[in-house]
Amino acid sequence: RKEVEQDPGPFNVPEGATVAFNCTYSNSASQSFFWYRQDCRKEPKLLMSVYSSGNEDGRFTAQLNRASQYISLLIRDSKLSDSATYLCVVNVDTGRRALTFGSGTRLQVQP
Amino acid sequence: DAGVIQSPRHEVTEMGQEVTLRCKPISGHDYLFWYRQTMMRGLELLIYFNNNVPIDDSGMPEDRFSAKMPNASFSTLKIQPSEPRDSAVYFCASSPSGTTYNEQFFGPGTRLTVL
Repeated sequence: RKEVEQDPGPFNVPEGATVAFNCTYSNSASQSFFWYRQDCRKEPKLLMSVYSSGNEDGRFTAQLNRASQYISLLIRDSKLSDSATYLCVVNVDTGRRALTFGSGTRLQVQP
Repeated sequence: DAGVIQSPRHEVTEMGQEVTLRCKPISGHDYLFWYRQTMMRGLELLIYFNNNVPIDDSGMPEDRFSAKMPNASFSTLKIQPSEPRDSAVYFCASSPSGTTYNEQFFGPGTRLTVL
């Protein structure tokens, strides 16, 4: 079983739609959680951290369910510029800086 | 401010040749990471350094791979001899210490093709 699992997609949605991505992680000792965004042929960039209480940044909302070992990302009012691959990322031990990346979920927002 | 700098951006080589990838982290960052990304395996951590010292090299595939960080502003990843299965995008990333969350800043990557 992979340490971090995501649906690879692609998710094809029209502009203005709401879309949700899910991610599960296998290690219950995982400490920190993130969503990174990667555009085609570019490097990954941090989109947002995921906190236990859930957090929102504009049109983006991230949720964490530790009991189910599940992370989600919700994008409201999708824009064409949101088209990218979204990577679910987990840090098992904050004493170690290593991050484990999911394989990513590809989003294509269509006009 | 300059971000993470990697060179070369593209490298095409023949099987058996030595390949050296270079990275300059963001000034002041204490952590440096080398990743490899392929379609099949996604983004994999190869090795990371803290204050120029290798901390975890468990992701290095085999003895053909080696990484060094002679000073705080420079690191290399070497593959000798290279094989076609090493073809991938290699990313370098850096991170500051002392933060409560460990955002990593990635360079643009080196796209390696081994023929």
